[in-house]
Parts: sequence; structure tokens; C-alpha cells
Amino acid sequence: NAGVTQTPKFRILKIGQSMTLQCTQDMNHNYMYWYRQDPGMGLKLIYYSVGAGITDKGEVPNGYNVSRSTTEDFPLRLELAAPSQTSVYFCASRPGQGFRDEQFFGPGTRLTVL
Amino acid sequence: AQSVTQLDSQVPVFEEAPVELRCNYSSSVSVYLFWYVQYPNQGLQLLLKYLSGSTLVKGINGFEAEFNKSQTSFHLRKPSVHISDTAEYFCAVSVSLGTGRRALTFGSGTRLQVQP
Repeated sequence: NAGVTQTPKFRILKIGQSMTLQCTQDMNHNYMYWYRQDPGMGLKLIYYSVGAGITDKGEVPNGYNVSRSTTEDFPLRLELAAPSQTSVYFCASRPGQGFRDEQFFGPGTRLTVL
Repeated sequence: AQSVTQLDSQVPVFEEAPVELRCNYSSSVSVYLFWYVQYPNQGLQLLLKYLSGSTLVKGINGFEAEFNKSQTSFHLRKPSVHISDTAEYFCAVSVSLGTGRRALTFGSGTRLQVQP
């Protein structure tokens, strides 16, 4: 199993550009999450999904959109990039809704908006 | 809402010395706590978790943590650190998003710097 994979690893955007961060997991997990990690801060939840076709907002959803058409993929879309979106983005997944389940993280995407 | 506070942003320590990374959580009836480690340029990896039962939890790489309900703490310890333990450590609590859904809320992280 590859686990949780994210592409790209690094990206520089200009203000106003758009892009999609890709996330794929091959563990057949129902739950998937997107977090952002700002310097010196913990991870903050952007969006999450409990299964294909079901997504919901987390703590910091503004400026982002997601979709979940398949169990494996959970892309994160930035429509109009802003400097405040400069961050490291992590995708995570876990099997189900039980509190015992561990979250598995991807390696992250480092995004800089200039 | 449940939250965690990591009291130290950086902890320098010499190789083979013991270390404690501190984490306090907001009080709740039921609390599920986790420690994750992030090595440079990598994603987060689970070290250990407390769900219920024994208050002393053992994890990978020789780490352990003690759940202390009276002090609302979940400190991470290792009796003898190695250079390879240099990383960022995050304490996290499982929070309810409603209708049975859950996510993790993270502390701000503690950077452990092991020096030779």
C-alpha cells in the first residue's frame, strides 16, 4: 500500500491564480481530511469527507473547495490564491467514524503564494 | 470546544538524556488523546494514543505518555533520546463534529532538538 499520497510536493502561485492539490489513498478509508499547517502553529482542519459524495466544512474553509467523487480521491481546490494561503497542506484519512481510528497522513504540499 | 495546549515550543536536550514534552487538554467527560511526530519534510506519524484504560500508554520508538485526569495533562516522555528523535511533536485530541463524525484538534507543536 502506498498509503496517502499528495501531489505536488511544492508549488509557487501568483495572487489570483487557481490550483488543485491532489490527495489519494489506497486503504479504502471512508474518512478523509484536509489540514493546513502555518509556521509555529498546529494543524487546522479545512474540509473533511465521510465518504464519496459527502463533504463538510472544517475550522478554516474560506477560500477553498473540495469534492469527493470516489473513495480514493479528495482534491482541494484554491480558486483565487491569496498570500494568506501560503502554508503546508496535509491530507489525511482514517477507516471509519469510530474514535479509536488512527488518522494516516500524506507527506504534505508546501504552497507559497506571492 | 475541546482543545490542547503544548506548553513548550522548543525543547533542546542532549543525546541520551531524558525528555518530557508537555501537553494539557481542556476538560471533558470523555477525552481521546494522541501524540504525533513529524520528521523534517514528512507527514505526521502516530506515536501513541490514549482512548481508555491504563493511564500509562506506550508507543513506538520508546516513547510513553501518562494520562492524568486531575491535572488534565498528557505529557510525552522518553528516558533516553537519540539524535534521530529530532522532530516536531504534536499533541491532539479527538473532537466531535456532530452526528458521529470526528476529527483531530492539534496543539501548536513542540520542536525537540537533540544535540550530540
